[in-house]
Amino acid sequence: EADIYQTPRYLVIGTGKKITLECSQTMGHDKMYWYQQDPGMELHLIHYSYGVNSTEKGDLSSESTVSRIRTEHFPLTLESARPSHTSQYLCASSGSPEQFFGPGTRLTVL
Amino acid sequence: KNQVEQSPQSLIILEGKNCTLQCNYTVSPFSNLRWYKQDTGRGPVSLTIMTFSENTKSNRRYTATLDADTKQSSLHITASQLSDSASYICVVSDRGSTLGRLYFGRGTQLTVWP
Repeated sequence: EADIYQTPRYLVIGTGKKITLECSQTMGHDKMYWYQQDPGMELHLIHYSYGVNSTEKGDLSSESTVSRIRTEHFPLTLESARPSHTSQYLCASSGSPEQFFGPGTRLTVL
Repeated sequence: KNQVEQSPQSLIILEGKNCTLQCNYTVSPFSNLRWYKQDTGRGPVSLTIMTFSENTKSNRRYTATLDADTKQSSLHITASQLSDSASYICVVSDRGSTLGRLYFGRGTQLTVWP
């Protein structure tokens, strides 16, 4: 079983709040990713990182931001949450060729 | 355009029966193809990964096939169990970028009834 963790697992917040979704991995992987997934739909890459101090935007435009100060930690932040941000957010890390996923955070913005 | 199409969109079978899920892709240049199992509310878990030269790969009751010429893959589940109820996602990786970009299908939602 992959050692990649996400907290919180579920989050319900009001519009305008600032939130941070945490992601940590203990496998020493350099590459990490954030995906957004809506019910019944495919995963969309929103952010990725090649290593410390490296972050890039993915295919799907997102108002969220990420940081990579430590290899094992890749948090995602929304400065002002809106109902359109309601979705499942999945973090992953890659030790080529395998990509391991965390359990996800289900975010609901009221 | 790089795409991954899966069929059927959903499938219901009885416990103990076999089933086959399909995946067609247009991703190029091809690197590898993966099948993931995703339980509701969880992250995907890898079942198999196949490169260009591999035609078939098994993992317990799961057998994946790959035809790189026709760009098709299938996942065969033998003697289904209730715990097999999940979404099965086909994912294709290209080798045209350092990132090893992944292209995801929408998944086949499998339900196994007792």
